[in-house]
Amino acid sequence: NAGVMQNPRHLVRRRGQEARLRCSPMKGHSHVYWYRQLPEEGLKFMVYLQKENIIDESGMPKERFSAEFPKEGPSILRIQQVVRGDSAAYFCASSPPPGDNYGYTFGSGTRLTVV
Amino acid sequence: AQSVTQPDIHITVSEGASLELRCNYSYGATPYLFWYVQSPGQGLQLLLKYFSGDTLVQGIKGFEAEFKRSQSSFNLRKPSVHWSDAAEYFCAVGAPPPGDYKLSFGAGTTVTVRA
Repeated sequence: NAGVMQNPRHLVRRRGQEARLRCSPMKGHSHVYWYRQLPEEGLKFMVYLQKENIIDESGMPKERFSAEFPKEGPSILRIQQVVRGDSAAYFCASSPPPGDNYGYTFGSGTRLTVV
Repeated sequence: AQSVTQPDIHITVSEGASLELRCNYSYGATPYLFWYVQSPGQGLQLLLKYFSGDTLVQGIKGFEAEFKRSQSSFNLRKPSVHWSDAAEYFCAVGAPPPGDYKLSFGAGTTVTVRA
């Protein structure tokens, strides 16, 4: 049973380009969460999604960032017109439906470098 | 709002010695508390969690943590450290249901193990 799969592991983008980060949840998990880890900091919550629904996006920057979790396929975190400050590790986690109290499993992350 | 403070940025310990990592949290009600470990280039692995009940929690890899409400602390301990314990450790706090999906992480403590 594969865990949470994130790809790519490393992504380099020039300023102004778009970054697309993908997350495939664990089998049987229908809830996905994205976190960002800036250098020297802990993880910060960005967004919580269920299939075709954004439940909580209170941690998402207001501009340039978007997330989706379609009916079929992985969850996508999209960052448009990247800037140097977007350089970070982006982690995805998945869980079963509510009631399992933080039954999170984290992926290995995508490390984005903006040059 | 919930928050976590990890006062020690970096700790060096000799192999075989005991280890204690400090964590202080801020939360208005009974918190859900977690310790995660992150090895270089890897995702986060859950070491242990506390929701209620016995305030001394046993986790994986020989770790334990003690919840002290009066001190708002949830310190992590291991009696005898192995070289493979060198990693970054994160304490996190979460809310009970229905908000039981959003974690707030501390900035982490990096543990170096010397031979």
